[in-house]
Amino acid sequence: DAMVIQNPRYQVTQFGKPVTLSCSQTLNHNVMYWYQQKSSQAPKLLFHYYDKDFNNEADTPDNFQSRRPNTSFCFLDIRSPGLGDAAMYLCATSKSGTSGGGNEQFFGPGTRLTVL
Amino acid sequence: GENVEQHPSTLSVQEGDSAVIKCTYSDSASNYFPWYKQELGKRPQLIIDIRSNVGEKKDQRIAVTLNKTAKHFSLHITETQPEDSAVYFCAASNRKYGNKLVFGAGTILRVKS
Repeated sequence: DAMVIQNPRYQVTQFGKPVTLSCSQTLNHNVMYWYQQKSSQAPKLLFHYYDKDFNNEADTPDNFQSRRPNTSFCFLDIRSPGLGDAAMYLCATSKSGTSGGGNEQFFGPGTRLTVL
Repeated sequence: GENVEQHPSTLSVQEGDSAVIKCTYSDSASNYFPWYKQELGKRPQLIIDIRSNVGEKKDQRIAVTLNKTAKHFSLHITETQPEDSAVYFCAASNRKYGNKLVFGAGTILRVKS
């Protein structure tokens, strides 16, 4: 089945120790997103790739970076995790919007990050 | 940018009753409005969506209505069941902002059996 896969599902890191989360997709979608979701809150968009074009949200901390080496894979790098970065990180994909606007975003299962 | 408000924040209904969740958006150019259901510890999943060229869409027990003039859209769940208990998020999307989804704050729906 075509899907969005995230690894690992659970990640524990130490304060200040760099961590990388990965996302892969078999949907061949050209848009990929990274969201941060904290408990009882809506997903918060960090950045997205439209093909190879990187789009950073204005309020995404510099501590967060991303790489998309090819259509199928996208990585989220947290350079120096702080306690406030503990959250669920969701990857999502979509086809680029038609003239009618946006399209469904397909979410991965998420990676729950714990910072000790 | 776009702003989406969602009400209520929590909703408790008796099994079999209907549930209605409402969202308003700020940018009249928004043209795609999905609803996601998220169970505890799981990923958000699309349950229904609507585009600005239609006013209503239905899929079995779930329906969405859109009022472009008033800039609000609503999710209607009929004959609720315990498995409908989850957090529901509305969202709006707009070509001006690259078709990114702007989410509402979410509604916790509890269906009591």
